[in-house]
Amino acid sequence: NAGVMQNPRHLVRRRGQEARLRCSPMKGHSHVYWYRQLPEEGLKFMVYLQKENIIDESGMPKERFSAEFPKEGPSILRIQQVVRGDSAAYFCASSQEDRYGYTFGSGTRLTVV
Amino acid sequence: KQEVTQIPAALSVPEGENLVLNCSFTDSAIYNLQWFRQDPGKGLTSLLLIQSSQREQTSGRLNASLDKSSGRSTLYIAASQPGDSATYLCAVTPNQGGKLIFGQGTELSVKP
Repeated sequence: NAGVMQNPRHLVRRRGQEARLRCSPMKGHSHVYWYRQLPEEGLKFMVYLQKENIIDESGMPKERFSAEFPKEGPSILRIQQVVRGDSAAYFCASSQEDRYGYTFGSGTRLTVV
Repeated sequence: KQEVTQIPAALSVPEGENLVLNCSFTDSAIYNLQWFRQDPGKGLTSLLLIQSSQREQTSGRLNASLDKSSGRSTLYIAASQPGDSATYLCAVTPNQGGKLIFGQGTELSVKP
């Protein structure tokens, strides 16, 4: 069981480009969560997805950010027209049910230059 | 609105000492509470999960307690080792389920 896999581990984008972050949940897990950790700040919830459904996106910025978890393949967090303030570590977690323990991936560290 | 606070923000102790990390939350309506460890530049490792109906959980040298009515949890680390140096995060799952709400963490340094 490979655990929660995130790629890439590090991503550098110029201002205005798009960033695509991928997350493959643990085998058997159908719930995926994205969190962001800004420098010197705690982990903040962004979005909660199940296959083909967004359950809770209350933590997502209103513009430029979107997430999906298709029937086949990994969950994708997409950031359009990145700005320097988007530089952060983005973590994905998965769980078997929405109230059980969570397993986190190693994160994608996005740097916007 | 649920808020999670961890005290202290940083802690430095000599090797071998027993220590306690504190976590408090403002809304007692939680489903569970989880303690994580985060090493610099790395992801989160789950340490202990306490369901709201439970009072404590133990794993090796770690013991976590939960007092839902007072909105508090403690993580007790026995006989600390330099390898325990990391940031420890407390997070609650609200009764409505889904997301975790994290505290800011306690940065622990265990000196040889």
